[in-house]
Amino acid sequence: DVKVTQSSRYLVKRTGEKVFLECVQDMDHENMFWYRQDPGLGLRLIYFSYDVKMKEKGDIPEGYSVSREKKERFSLILESASTNQTSMYLCASTLPRGNQPQHFGDGTRLSIL
Amino acid sequence: AQSVAQPEDQVNVAEGNPLTVKCTYSVSGNPYLFWYVQYPNRGLQFLLKYITGDNLVKGSYGFEAEFNKSQTSFHLKKPSALVSDSALYFCAVRDVNDYKLSFGAGTTVTVRA
Repeated sequence: DVKVTQSSRYLVKRTGEKVFLECVQDMDHENMFWYRQDPGLGLRLIYFSYDVKMKEKGDIPEGYSVSREKKERFSLILESASTNQTSMYLCASTLPRGNQPQHFGDGTRLSIL
Repeated sequence: AQSVAQPEDQVNVAEGNPLTVKCTYSVSGNPYLFWYVQYPNRGLQFLLKYITGDNLVKGSYGFEAEFNKSQTSFHLKKPSALVSDSALYFCAVRDVNDYKLSFGAGTTVTVRA
């Protein structure tokens, strides 16, 4: 089975801090994604990476950046955390073929105080 | 542009009764369609997908979904619901020519004993 591991289940940070969320997958998937999940809004794509050092903006990239130095690891960075970034963050990975499902980690519930 | 609508925020059924969760979609080209389930404080788990071929798709845990091209729908069904099916369900669509997966807002299913 594919395993996608997010480094923290719960995280509390302060406004203005630089926050790192880490995600590792063990199936050699080319594609990796970061989403945020908010009640009533479903999942919204923040960033997408299709290869090492390659990235594309999703629907809501403002206030975020990403890093993919190794194929298995995809990091989400909140450059200067704000209270409106309090949310559940989900990482996913998949093969490049479009008919394959994405595999998700258990999420990081981030609170910005 | 692509989008997904899940018209019901909540679905309540008695154990043993049929369960239906509705989903309609919009894509410019041909769709890949997916259903995911999310249990509390967990990531999304893949249930089933429609790629091409038979309009009735069978998936995990006894779930199935029917693709209807003329109605642009992909409703999730289970003939006999269990209390353990209580969870949040997401429908998602991807255009075959795109990498991006668009999610509905989610439907909370509650199965009462």
